[in-house]
Amino acid sequence: EVQLLESGGNLVQPGGSLRLSCAASGFTFSSSSMCWVRLTPGKGLEWLSAISNGRTYYAGSVKGRFSISRDDSENTLYLQMNSLRVEDTAIYYCAREYGTGASGWVSIDYWGQGTLVTVSS
Amino acid sequence: QLVVTQSPSASASLGASVKLTCTLSSGHSSYAIAWHQQQPEKGPRYLMKVNSDGSQTKGDGIPDRFSGSSSGAERYLTISSLQSEDEADYYCQTWVTGTWVFGGGTKLTVL
Repeated sequence: EVQLLESGGNLVQPGGSLRLSCAASGFTFSSSSMCWVRLTPGKGLEWLSAISNGRTYYAGSVKGRFSISRDDSENTLYLQMNSLRVEDTAIYYCAREYGTGASGWVSIDYWGQGTLVTVSS
Repeated sequence: QLVVTQSPSASASLGASVKLTCTLSSGHSSYAIAWHQQQPEKGPRYLMKVNSDGSQTKGDGIPDRFSGSSSGAERYLTISSLQSEDEADYYCQTWVTGTWVFGGGTKLTVL
């Protein structure tokens, strides 16, 4: 059974930093493309970042502030979030991507349960 | 600009059927979409991919009560024999050359 378990969400002040973790199990993590997506009441679901075949990708809203990484020996995905803003307040989901850019289709086939990040003074 | 549009809410009675709609913006009627379900207090769950020709690829363990179809720029999710646990938010999503687009979601109420 595929499982994705996020952790690290917390209350942080504007300008602060936070690192989210996602522990994966039930599939071959090292050969899987992984991503982070967030859910906010105002904007809905927003794809943030992905890591695939050693390459990283970012949405414009977080580029330069967030950094995605992975430890394949620990089956863990990370999201380092710096210079946090009030508008980054959201539930953050770790997810497994399926499909490739070469195939012309990318989506998500498994999601985690989410971790809440609140940015407030 | 690629946009997917969903009605904010829908409702149907227990045991009935409901058809949710995701509309692709002009010029993008050939695109595939995916449906994701989010039950209250849970993470989202992938339901299926729906192609422009109406063919579908379901996720693991998705019941036959869930089906997808297409017509022009519209992609549909039909849920039959509605159960209480189907009360959830349903999101459509598409992707093109590195751009992810999510719809705003439809909140389904089971009466």
